[in-house]
Amino acid sequence: QLQLQESGPGLVKPSETLSLTCTVSGVSITRTSFYWAWIRQPPGKGLEWIGSIFFSGTTYYNPSLKSRLSISVDTSKNQFSLKLSSVTAADTAVYFCARVWELPAAGRFDPWGQGTLVTVSS
Amino acid sequence: QSVLTQPPSVSGAPGQRVTISCTGSSYNIGAGYDVHWYQQLPGTAPKLLIYGDSNRPSGVPDRFSGSKSGTSAFLAITGLQAEDEADYYCQSYDSSLRGSVFGGGTKLTVL
Repeated sequence: QLQLQESGPGLVKPSETLSLTCTVSGVSITRTSFYWAWIRQPPGKGLEWIGSIFFSGTTYYNPSLKSRLSISVDTSKNQFSLKLSSVTAADTAVYFCARVWELPAAGRFDPWGQGTLVTVSS
Repeated sequence: QSVLTQPPSVSGAPGQRVTISCTGSSYNIGAGYDVHWYQQLPGTAPKLLIYGDSNRPSGVPDRFSGSKSGTSAFLAITGLQAEDEADYYCQSYDSSLRGSVFGGGTKLTVL
């Protein structure tokens, strides 16, 4: 059964880089034709797609975050990662990872990880 | 504000039918891009409810249905149950923003 689990620091200082990892279990990232995505949700607010990656390293980024964003994949660990630089309080959110069906920026997200709260504060 | 517009809240009594709308534009729903719907119970991750406008994943009750017309999509829930109380989000692709977009979410209250 496919499962995704986010991990990383829960507190990041302003202007620093937020780094998170999603560990995929139950299926090999390299043996599927799926993309993998990051999505975030500020407290009490809606969902925002961050970006998607294929095991080959091909990425699709939300244009509003692209200048600060890097998503990478580590096939040896069956993981993909998110780095968001120059963070501010507006980046405080629950960050989810998910599998993407069909199109990398238009497909449905299923399943999702449980999410991890990242707070940006000094 | 979100590219896809949803009502902030809807409510209904147990057993009743409610509909949640998701209104977009010619750059997303109106362009024919698929609409997907998610249910988010308090404190949990979103769960896929409807995909490709009107398809239900395995395990989702047939009380949930999706449709699309013009620049809007709709999620209908019949036979409301207390366990349906949650936030519901629509999602599609926007060609002007070149990425996936979500609605602002609708809180369903079962009276």
